[in-house]
Amino acid sequence: DGGITQSPKYLFRKEGQNVTLSCEQNLNHDAMYWYRQDPGQGLRLIYYSQIVNDFQKGDIAEGYSVSREKKESFPLTVTSAQKNPTAFYLCASSPLTGAYTGELFFGEGSRLTVL
Amino acid sequence: AQSVSQHNHHVILSEAASLELGCNYSYGGTVNLFWYVQYPGQHLQLLLKYFSGDPLVKGIKGFEAEFIKSKFSFNLRKPSVQWSDTAEYFCAADTGTASKLTFGTGTRLQVTL
Repeated sequence: DGGITQSPKYLFRKEGQNVTLSCEQNLNHDAMYWYRQDPGQGLRLIYYSQIVNDFQKGDIAEGYSVSREKKESFPLTVTSAQKNPTAFYLCASSPLTGAYTGELFFGEGSRLTVL
Repeated sequence: AQSVSQHNHHVILSEAASLELGCNYSYGGTVNLFWYVQYPGQHLQLLLKYFSGDPLVKGIKGFEAEFIKSKFSFNLRKPSVQWSDTAEYFCAADTGTASKLTFGTGTRLQVTL
């Protein structure tokens, strides 16, 4: 099945530790995104990438880092510098070729809890 | 700054009741509008979208939304909700680039039997 796979689904971390969330897609999409979802705040963009080896900061990039070494992979690292990392993290992708559809395809999310 | 507002945070309806969820946006110029839905335990998915043309757009599962430019609104409607419509609904907008997609805060819909 084509889609986006995020892992792990649940993750616990101690304060001061970095953690990396995995996102893999087999949709052959050029663009990939990371969002953070908090209750009552909707989805906020952390980082996005439109091409391999290039990525751009979103609205809330502080305390996060990403890499895009392969088209199908876009891991997110939540660093110890992120002041409030407990949240639900969503990865998404979209095609950039062809007519613009505006649709994002989402993974099932990773819930990070900092103890 | 561009923003999307959803004023209904939590809505509880009985089955067969009619639904209308509000969405307002503040964008200058051309805007594309979307409604996404997140069913419990499932991934976020597109419900419907408006780019241009007929301001009344129809989506999956009997949902529709009306674009009213003068009111900067894109409200979601369904004549008769079902228990399976229980989910969180997000309104979103962009100006033609997915990297500039802005989401509202979401509305949690609970449908009771």
